[in-house]
Amino acid sequence: EIVLTQSPATLSLSPGERATLSCRASQSVSSLLAWYQHKPGQAPRLLIYDASNRATGIPARFSGSGSGTDFTLTIDSLEPEDFAVYYCQQRSSWPIPFGQGTRLEIK
Amino acid sequence: QITLKESGPTLVKPTQTLTLTCTFSGFSLSTSGVAVAWIRQPPGKALEWLGLVYRADERHYSPSLKTRLTITKDPSKNQVVLTMTNMDPLDTGTYYCAHRDPVKIFDYWGQGTLVTVSS
Repeated sequence: EIVLTQSPATLSLSPGERATLSCRASQSVSSLLAWYQHKPGQAPRLLIYDASNRATGIPARFSGSGSGTDFTLTIDSLEPEDFAVYYCQQRSSWPIPFGQGTRLEIK
Repeated sequence: QITLKESGPTLVKPTQTLTLTCTFSGFSLSTSGVAVAWIRQPPGKALEWLGLVYRADERHYSPSLKTRLTITKDPSKNQVVLTMTNMDPLDTGTYYCAHRDPVKIFDYWGQGTLVTVSS
């Protein structure tokens, strides 16, 4: 079973700053990794699929990179609505659990 | 337009069996590579993938919950049903169903339904 480890657990930043979130897989998942944003009381939202492809309607300030075991979600110039919990998930092999999440909070 | 909606009890007693229904529209489970998945989130904790079902009855479950879970589908009703046995207070949380795209994984989600396990 592939384990996804996200870091940091919590990231405190101010609006306008850049956020860099990490997801590391216990073995290679090629580029088969997605990122989600989850806000309280809402359904999670797909942001990025296959490591670097933005989902429909996702602003250009969100970008994903990486392959193999190391992946990064970057959010340029944080907007107030970007403060949420972010999860990664792989589709390389079964099972497909989520990472434990990174909480992006306002500093 | 793809939509999904979860329905079922909001309160179950310990040891009981939970049955949740996901009613969807805007896609067909007969399409190759498309599936419906169940995910949950205990209060204050991370998302947890539970399992999913494809058109040909291919199913995959979380290893830690495999013995307690059954996911079935009724394509004629556009519904997928989650059954979880021997419920425990630790199973309290919001349960979501989601559309699985072959590439995008979970690109559409239901609004979620809160299930509380308590006597």
